[in-house]
Amino acid sequence: GAGVSQSPSNKVTEKGKDVELRCDPISGHTALYWYRQSLGQGLEFLIYFQGNSAPDKSGLPSDRFSAERTGGSVSTLTIQRTQQEDSAVYLCASSLSAGGPNEQFFGPGTRLTVL
Amino acid sequence: AQSVAQPEDQVNVAEGNPLTVKCTYSVSGNPYLFWYVQYPNRGLQFLLKYITGDNLVKGSYGFEAEFNKSQTSFHLKKPSALVSDSALYFCAVSPLLKDLIFGKGTTLSVSS
Repeated sequence: GAGVSQSPSNKVTEKGKDVELRCDPISGHTALYWYRQSLGQGLEFLIYFQGNSAPDKSGLPSDRFSAERTGGSVSTLTIQRTQQEDSAVYLCASSLSAGGPNEQFFGPGTRLTVL
Repeated sequence: AQSVAQPEDQVNVAEGNPLTVKCTYSVSGNPYLFWYVQYPNRGLQFLLKYITGDNLVKGSYGFEAEFNKSQTSFHLKKPSALVSDSALYFCAVSPLLKDLIFGKGTTLSVSS
């Protein structure tokens, strides 16, 4: 079956511009997660959704970052007024429900480059 | 606080030899532990998980992991390494109703 998809696969933008990253989870998965992976770094948790609700936004690096999920499906991560330090690979994952024993399935990521 | 440690940034092993990638954890309560692999320019793939029961967990591609509660470890193992196993490996722990907490990753390099 179809896995987690993300678009775009690559995004190059200029400093100060806004960007939107999209994630389409596996059908039937109620939990959706966003992570950031910087070059040479591990994975940094950003936010997760259970259904359309985001119980934990503590990982968002600043108020320039926001995310929403509608219809319990697609999610968008928006970065406003991008900075060069936002350059990273943004990974989305989904699971049957949040946490516990449920493994997460990851998309291929969106590579964001801020010039 | 929940945390995961991967003490080795890189592990080098010759093809055909056994491999071990180390992981230790700190959690409150019963741990749910995972291993993921990331091949170059690709997303993370689930390898295996420990929930409860048998301390030896078998997963994809011939990998297995041993849960050791007294040592709070969950080391990834494979009896005979392949060059194609070369990748970045992440250990992770899952607190209830939350995200995965990942280790920093260990690069496995298998030489022919």
